Amino acid sequence: GQQVMQIPQYQHVQEGEDFTTYCNSSTTLSNIQWYKQRPGGHPVFLIQLVKSGEVKKQKRLTFQFGEAKKNSSLHITATQTTDVGTYFCADKNRDDKIIFGKGTRLHILP
Amino acid sequence: NAGVTQTPKFQVLKTGQSMTLQCAQDMNHNSMYWYRQDPGMGLRLIYYSASEGTTDKGEVPNGYNVSRLNKREFSLRLESAAPSQTSVYFCASSEWMRSWDEQFFGPGTRLTVL
Repeated sequence: GQQVMQIPQYQHVQEGEDFTTYCNSSTTLSNIQWYKQRPGGHPVFLIQLVKSGEVKKQKRLTFQFGEAKKNSSLHITATQTTDVGTYFCADKNRDDKIIFGKGTRLHILP
Repeated sequence: NAGVTQTPKFQVLKTGQSMTLQCAQDMNHNSMYWYRQDPGMGLRLIYYSASEGTTDKGEVPNGYNVSRLNKREFSLRLESAAPSQTSVYFCASSEWMRSWDEQFFGPGTRLTVL
């Protein structure tokens, strides 16, 4: 079945450095969603990408959907302490199966 | 609006005990979901209800049952708890699963099975 893989699993960055997490699928993604979960909290929706090659920005966050719709990335410019948390990608396939990646946990070093 | 609420927040069970996790949403959403989250495993879908009156299995349904009581409420039942069911359980809702709308998550229930 479909697998959604996220890399890296963990990332430590100095405050102010950039951060990128990647989401790769074994099959073509339908529409990719990204969520953020703060430590001890619940996942919160960030964005959905629909079109091949799509790029969307939210302030310091840039989301990209691959041309072949088999990968996606989230890039954070100049990280801040408020960016700490785990970032998940998720997809829903044609069989209505929702698959989440295992997430990338971001630590910010002051 | 409270969004998605879950009860209880914490629970400790002994192996073999049963319990029901409650979930309610006040956003008039049609679709509701139950996930479990284990360290390093991300979120895994247990059951979902695409619309009132329907329920379907997700990725990890074994050992669980669900009830879509009405449009607002979706409960998850563990009939005979096992230590492997120790996890954090999240309920979520969305306007329509078919259109893959954004999901709104509840605060979670932290369950420990001894």
